[in-house]
Amino acid sequence: EAGVAQSPRYKIIEKRQSVAFWCNPISGHATLYWYQQILGQGPKLLIQFQNNGVVDDSQLPKDRFSAERLKGVDSTLKIQPAKLEDSAVYLCASSLEASSYNEQFFGPGTRLTVL
Amino acid sequence: SQQGEEDPQALSIQEGENATMNCSYKTSINNLQWYRQNSGRGLVHLILIRSNEREKHSGRLRVTLDTSKKSSSLLITASRAADTASYFCATDEGSGGGADGLTFGKGTHLIIQP
Repeated sequence: EAGVAQSPRYKIIEKRQSVAFWCNPISGHATLYWYQQILGQGPKLLIQFQNNGVVDDSQLPKDRFSAERLKGVDSTLKIQPAKLEDSAVYLCASSLEASSYNEQFFGPGTRLTVL
Repeated sequence: SQQGEEDPQALSIQEGENATMNCSYKTSINNLQWYRQNSGRGLVHLILIRSNEREKHSGRLRVTLDTSKKSSSLLITASRAADTASYFCATDEGSGGGADGLTFGKGTHLIIQP
């Protein structure tokens, strides 16, 4: 079974530039999550989708971050404009459905460096 | 905000010894999960314990949960070099509406010395 795919794996940009990350969840998984992991910390949830609808985006900095999952499969996360403090690994995860007892499967992440 | 706090932040032991990591959290939960993260395999789910369970085993892993103290522990027995990784506890606070995103702690970095 193929895992969660993410691209690019690494990205270096200058502050105030824009950047986008792509995620392809495990086939058949209805729920998709984006997490931000700053160096030395645990992942922090940014947004959760159920199919193509947003379930929770309470921790997404909406002035600069946006995410979409138009067809209920792939998802993109965008930062515009980027700040130095956005340097982190952005992890995408998926699960079969939104349930307290479903395992979340994580992708390899995209490491973003903002200079 | 981070819900769980792992203790210790770092742990170094000899191969074959047991490793114990603790996690404390702040709010009521539906379940608590432990994840492992290393550079080779990314973030991997290890075990889930429900709020009405007190202990759970999976291979060399043993997890306990004390909801009265809002704490959990992860025991790895007979450690191996491959167990070197960061270990995170993560909680599902069950805010409702299908929102089940996890809240992670800062992690315990475990080093197994050969």
